[in-house]
Amino acid sequence: AQSVTQLGSHVSVSEGALVLLRCNYSSSVPPYLFWYVQYPNQGLQLLLKYTTGATLVKGINGFEAEFKKSETSFHLTKPSAHMSDAAEYFCAVSGSSASKIIFGSGTRLSIRP
Amino acid sequence: DAGVIQSPRHEVTEMGQEVTLRCKPISGHDYLFWYRQTMMRGLELLIYFNNNVPIDDSGMPEDRFSAKMPNASFSTLKIQPSEPRDSAVYFCASSPTGGDVQPQHFGDGTRLSIL
Repeated sequence: AQSVTQLGSHVSVSEGALVLLRCNYSSSVPPYLFWYVQYPNQGLQLLLKYTTGATLVKGINGFEAEFKKSETSFHLTKPSAHMSDAAEYFCAVSGSSASKIIFGSGTRLSIRP
Repeated sequence: DAGVIQSPRHEVTEMGQEVTLRCKPISGHDYLFWYRQTMMRGLELLIYFNNNVPIDDSGMPEDRFSAKMPNASFSTLKIQPSEPRDSAVYFCASSPTGGDVQPQHFGDGTRLSIL
């Protein structure tokens, strides 16, 4: 069984500041991990995914995430926040290819001018 | 490429009415997922299909909800009779089968309001 915990339902940072969104997972099998972003009135879009191999994964819009097995974490970061990054971010885990994905509860990211 | 297409985008109806939500997955994708999103419960998986066959419907709230996939390019989610607590945004997503993990592609959702 898999589960995901996102720490912090709301994160606010200043424009240009570091973005850090936290995600911890639980999985009884090697996990596949995802970050999705949801803009207002839209569906979820894939930011990045981890399957196997390199633990630092780069995604779209300058985001990246690092898989740390020892910490069961997959935190999302971006060095410099932009106003357009304001959205809801979801961490997700899957245990097998194309089967159902378990989503976290989401973190709303706000950017202060 | 056309993405996942959902219709209608918005639906407002009265309690007790039948509601039908529609989804056209991306061509060639053989997995289709229905989700419900609310402030209180977040994003919930209702049901998913593989090659038009329902695989897991454990998330379907109750017998008032039903989903079908008559062919590879069309799926419906039906609520009969509808209740105010069914008000939510309903998303459809699809993904292909592949050797590697394939992410899900989401439609823009149907915002359902039951009065």
